Amino acid sequence: DGGITQSPKYLFRKEGQNVTLSCEQNLNHDAMYWYRQDPGQGLRLIYYSQIVNDFQKGDIAEGYSVSREKKESFPLTVTSAQKNPTAFYLCASSIRGQSNQPQHFGDGTRLSIL
Amino acid sequence: GNSVTQMEGPVTLSEEAFLTINCTYTATGYPSLFWYVQYPGEGLQLLLKATKADDKGSNKGFEATYRKETTSFHLEKGSVQVSDSAVYFCALSDGGAQKLVFGQGTRLTINP
Repeated sequence: DGGITQSPKYLFRKEGQNVTLSCEQNLNHDAMYWYRQDPGQGLRLIYYSQIVNDFQKGDIAEGYSVSREKKESFPLTVTSAQKNPTAFYLCASSIRGQSNQPQHFGDGTRLSIL
Repeated sequence: GNSVTQMEGPVTLSEEAFLTINCTYTATGYPSLFWYVQYPGEGLQLLLKATKADDKGSNKGFEATYRKETTSFHLEKGSVQVSDSAVYFCALSDGGAQKLVFGQGTRLTINP
């Protein structure tokens, strides 16, 4: 079955530490996205990528970084500069260039501070 | 910029009740509109979509009609079940980059 796999499901970060969240898709989608979900605030876009080796900042990119070296993979690094990283992180993918096509989501990674 | 506003939650109903969750949007152009559902501890699943004015999206007994004159996309279901308990998100697709703009979500609880 095609889909999006996020790992790990739960992640804990120590003070001053960078952590990386994995997102892999086998849907052959060009576009991939990272969202942050906080209680009562809906989802906010962190970064997105429409093609390999290219990505753009979303609404809340500060303290995060991404790479897109392969079509299937779009890892997100939460750096020590992100002072409030506790949240639920969701990765999504879609067919590029067709706004009527939905995004497909993974099951998320919950990040907490130790 | 583009935005989506959903009715405040939480919403609690009895089984077999009629459901409406209001969603209105502000957008330039003609966005595509979506409803997603999130069950506890999971990601979002597409529930239904509509891509142009007067389109009706439907799935699993849920319906929503793209109303351009009122800039609305209200979600309805005639008879809810306990298994419909979840958080529901209204969203619009923002232009060529296909960025989704989400409402804040509405938590729905159905009691037996």
